[in-house]
Amino acid sequence: QQPVQSPQAVILREGEDAVINCSSSKALYSVHWYRQKHGEAPVFLMILLKGGEQKGHDKISASFNEKKQQSSLYLTASQLSYSGTYFCGTEIIPNPDKLIFGTGTRLQVFP
Amino acid sequence: EPEVTQTPSHQVTQMGQEVILRCVPISNHLYFYWYRQILGQKVEFLVSFYNNEISEKSEIFDDQFSVERPDGSNFTLKIRSTKLEDSAMYFCASTYGNFNNEQFFGPGTRLTVL
Repeated sequence: QQPVQSPQAVILREGEDAVINCSSSKALYSVHWYRQKHGEAPVFLMILLKGGEQKGHDKISASFNEKKQQSSLYLTASQLSYSGTYFCGTEIIPNPDKLIFGTGTRLQVFP
Repeated sequence: EPEVTQTPSHQVTQMGQEVILRCVPISNHLYFYWYRQILGQKVEFLVSFYNNEISEKSEIFDDQFSVERPDGSNFTLKIRSTKLEDSAMYFCASTYGNFNNEQFFGPGTRLTVL
């Protein structure tokens, strides 16, 4: 049931782009993306609800495929503040009453 | 901006002792959750709570765990007899609707079992 995230880790220079993927073997009600800095709580980035949806703000956006089993998070022109671990949290059909998190992707942005 | 709060921020206990972790969810939220995160690992669902009862729990949430909303504002997680493997960060979260809604996470309680 646990979604699979890839890659496990990404190292970037400031200004470079990254894509983080989240795949589920089961159809999803929704995908939630969170960023977590070391020793802190996960911070909500965005939620995707509909197949084929794309949304974003600033230079962080995400997509949800038509079958609602895969989502990708796009980080463009990365900044130092983007560093952290990114988790997708999924609400799985037919038991949506919890978030099942992926294994996380550690992103490090260097000057 | 309303936020979820948790106390204490760090709890150290001896194996076999009982601990109670406290959370104050956002005031108009109806659904409450506990998650845990072992150091360096992913966030794991423990339990969801709505209308004063558990709506779902994971296999981690065994008989040693219990949750309660004693007074309409606090939401507590009790571990009756702590084990070394209970050492983790415990996050409380709350949301207004039960799915397809953002879950707001508290800052977490770091539990260390010695």
